[in-house]
Amino acid sequence: AAGVIQSPRHLIKEKRETATLKCYPIPRHDTVYWYQQGPGQDPQFLISFYEKMQSDKGSIPDRFSAQQFSDYHSELNMSSLELGDSALYFCASSSGGLINEQFFGPGTRLTVL
Amino acid sequence: GENVEQHPSTLSVQEGDSAVIKCTYSDSASNYFPWYKQELGKGPQLIIDIRSNVGEKKDQRIAVTLNKTAKHFSLHITETQPEDSAVYFCAAYSEYGNKLVFGAGTILRVKS
Repeated sequence: AAGVIQSPRHLIKEKRETATLKCYPIPRHDTVYWYQQGPGQDPQFLISFYEKMQSDKGSIPDRFSAQQFSDYHSELNMSSLELGDSALYFCASSSGGLINEQFFGPGTRLTVL
Repeated sequence: GENVEQHPSTLSVQEGDSAVIKCTYSDSASNYFPWYKQELGKGPQLIIDIRSNVGEKKDQRIAVTLNKTAKHFSLHITETQPEDSAVYFCAAYSEYGNKLVFGAGTILRVKS
């Protein structure tokens, strides 16, 4: 079965640079979530989109923005990167709204030097 | 907002034994409780979930119980196998908070 696709899988950036992470949800899933996971920590919710509209916001820094496009894929844009932004970034998708099962992608490992 | 506590943080069991991981939540409005298994370098994988109108759910060797009154839920894995070794996260979803809140995770080691 098709799963959530994330690209790139690994990304290395310098401080103050920008990064764009992409997420392609499971076909026919209309809801996308972004999470940040630091080493040895649980995933922290950043932001979610339902039917291309932002539906909820978590602990997402103002330096980050995201959107969901007409084909339901989503992009997380990160600017003025800081060392503390180094983490695993996961995208998850679900069908029919937030209370349904969320299926996670393989993640993007971002390293900021 | 919702707060989820998970215990234990690490758990070692002998192959074939059972493993139990417990979580408590704070928001009485939470109504959906998934469990995820995360292997090294991979994304969390949904293994079982339970909704607030059900007290117990079972899927082969995995079962989850929910006590709404006490606001706690547990994951039970029977006949553990080495491939069950991973980090397990519980989570709770509240419609008021509109998001999943995760527990801190449990590192499960199954020794063969």
